Amino acid sequence: GDSVTQMEGPVTLSEEAFLTINCTYTATGYPSLFWYVQYPGEGLQLLLKATKADDKGSNKGFEATYRKETTSFHLEKGSVQVSDSAVYFCALSGGGGGGSNYKLTFGKGTLLTVNP
Amino acid sequence: DSGVTQTPKHLITATGQRVTLRCSPRSGDLSVYWYQQSLDQGLQFLIQYYNGEERAKGNILERFSAQQFPDLHSELNLSSLELGDSALYFCASSVEGFSNEKLFFGSGTQLSVL
Repeated sequence: GDSVTQMEGPVTLSEEAFLTINCTYTATGYPSLFWYVQYPGEGLQLLLKATKADDKGSNKGFEATYRKETTSFHLEKGSVQVSDSAVYFCALSGGGGGGSNYKLTFGKGTLLTVNP
Repeated sequence: DSGVTQTPKHLITATGQRVTLRCSPRSGDLSVYWYQQSLDQGLQFLIQYYNGEERAKGNILERFSAQQFPDLHSELNLSSLELGDSALYFCASSVEGFSNEKLFFGSGTQLSVL
């Protein structure tokens, strides 16, 4: 079945540091890829998405490129802020593996803490 | 505010009991999803409904059931509760339920089984 593997956390950075959170996936078809963010006490919010190979999703200074050849969708931001502290989830949908066309399959999440 | 409303926010109950979690999707969204979030399993997809019909099923236990009503709100019923069912249960909605759509998540119901 479909699966998502993202780097283990937690990740602690200083303000204005560069951020990378690695994400790789396994899917039998051509999935859409997503990054969701969860702030403390809240539900998940879509951060960005990409629906086909070589697409780049971007939002709020975050970027991720859909790399089919390496089955990856790494999240990057050039300069993090304290307000970026949250849990980040990589996810895929529509991988084609046995009824998975509609559901989102999530990675385990990476806790990011940004210190001033 | 995502527009998805979940009630109650917190629920404390005992083993063997039955509870019902409620979700109202965003106005206009036809598809509702239920997810369970726990420390050991992460976010697990339970079930999806589209316009009242079950569309996809994930790792949902037989003790759990769900439905979507004509007004599109959904309920997740958990019965014969066990300690391991303690988790945060999220509802999400989307317009059509297609794989490339954005999901809007509620704030969740924290279930504690004692």
